[in-house]
Amino acid sequence: SQTIHQWPATLVQPVGSPLSLECTVEGTSNPNLYWYRQAAGRGLQLLFYSVGIGQISSEVPQNLSASRPQDRQFILSSKKLLLSDSGFYLCAWSADTRSSYEQYFGPGTRLTVT
Amino acid sequence: LAKTTQPISMDSYEGQEVNITCSHNNIATNDYITWYQQFPSQGPRFIIQGYKTKVTNEVASLFIPADRKSSTLSLPRVSLSDTAVYYCLVGEGGSYIPTFGRGTSLIVHP
Repeated sequence: SQTIHQWPATLVQPVGSPLSLECTVEGTSNPNLYWYRQAAGRGLQLLFYSVGIGQISSEVPQNLSASRPQDRQFILSSKKLLLSDSGFYLCAWSADTRSSYEQYFGPGTRLTVT
Repeated sequence: LAKTTQPISMDSYEGQEVNITCSHNNIATNDYITWYQQFPSQGPRFIIQGYKTKVTNEVASLFIPADRKSSTLSLPRVSLSDTAVYYCLVGEGGSYIPTFGRGTSLIVHP
């Protein structure tokens, strides 16, 4: 069966510090991968998605970036965090592009920028 | 123009059947209807997807009328653990990435 991992679970970082969140998927090959952010009481905002190694599409221009160094690894980064970067970050996968509406989410990372 | 419209919140009691309706007047021919469930501090969970008529699984049923301009997620005999936010999404997949709105916050009372 497929499993998706995210870490860390929670993170408190000062403004201006760097960020690295990691997501890995097990039990599937060549998945589509997605990064979302959810502010308190709001819906999910798609940040990035990837259909393959090294292929990243950005949905929202901001100080975040994403990379996919391996087939089942997706990393979200920032060089300098802003207060507005606080939120709940979710990684998700789908079997392929055709199944983009059937996504499976990880446990999430709660980021607080102070 | 929003693709879907669903109630912001609903209240129910344990043991009742809950029906959450989603309006999607501009649904396209190739679009599917997908529902997710999200518990607090967790990622959304895919629960059901359909194209027309009725789909049922171990979690819920999805009713889609012939004109497909709306759909209803039915949760039989809810319990406290069904308290969650439910999202209705409409789209054909492919290069289209779903947009999660605010969903419907369902609160189940004892």
